[in-house]
Amino acid sequence: GEDVEQSLFLSVREGDSSVINCTYTDSSSTYLYWYKQEPGAGLQLLTYIFSNMDMKQDQRLTVLLNKKDKHLSLRIADTQTGDSAIYFCAESISSASKIIFGSGTRLSIRP
Amino acid sequence: GAVVSQHPSWVICKSGTSVKIECRSLDFQATTMFWYRQFPKQSLMLMATSNEGSKATYEQGVEKDKFLINHASLTLSTLTVTSAHPEDSSFYICSARGSWGGGTGELFFGEGSRLTVL
Repeated sequence: GEDVEQSLFLSVREGDSSVINCTYTDSSSTYLYWYKQEPGAGLQLLTYIFSNMDMKQDQRLTVLLNKKDKHLSLRIADTQTGDSAIYFCAESISSASKIIFGSGTRLSIRP
Repeated sequence: GAVVSQHPSWVICKSGTSVKIECRSLDFQATTMFWYRQFPKQSLMLMATSNEGSKATYEQGVEKDKFLINHASLTLSTLTVTSAHPEDSSFYICSARGSWGGGTGELFFGEGSRLTVL
């Protein structure tokens, strides 16, 4: 079945880059997402990548996809205190299918 | 952007009672809504997929008689936790996908409802 895994915690210094990693098992995954959840709130889509892409960049965010290894990463450049949140990796086999989420990575920023 | 509203934000109830949580898409029509349960250690578990006008599709291990889902219109889905017990205490989050189709399949999430069963 589908499974998405990511490490639970990441701590980085303000101004450094954060890299959050994710692995998934379903080779049919076509859509791969990164969602952000701030404390006590719902999730918001941060960025996404299609499986036929290797990389996507959007301002401070860079998504890398290694389809062969089923590995997805999110890099946040110049991490700020406002980036503190839980980041969820998610996958779906189509734009109409259910989305399966990883366990989330809690990113904390230290001064 | 598309807004999804959940109500109530938090609810406390006695064991054995039923609780209804509403999920509304405010500015778009949602043919599909999803209900997730978020556990204390943050993992997000898909409970069921709800399509307007049809029965919900439950994930394995989720009791359909325990968690009743109704998607009566294109803007409203409800989750009713029947005969709630303390182990049902959790953060329930709904999400909706717009009816415009195609695109990224992005989900829009509600703010979540925290249920505490005493």
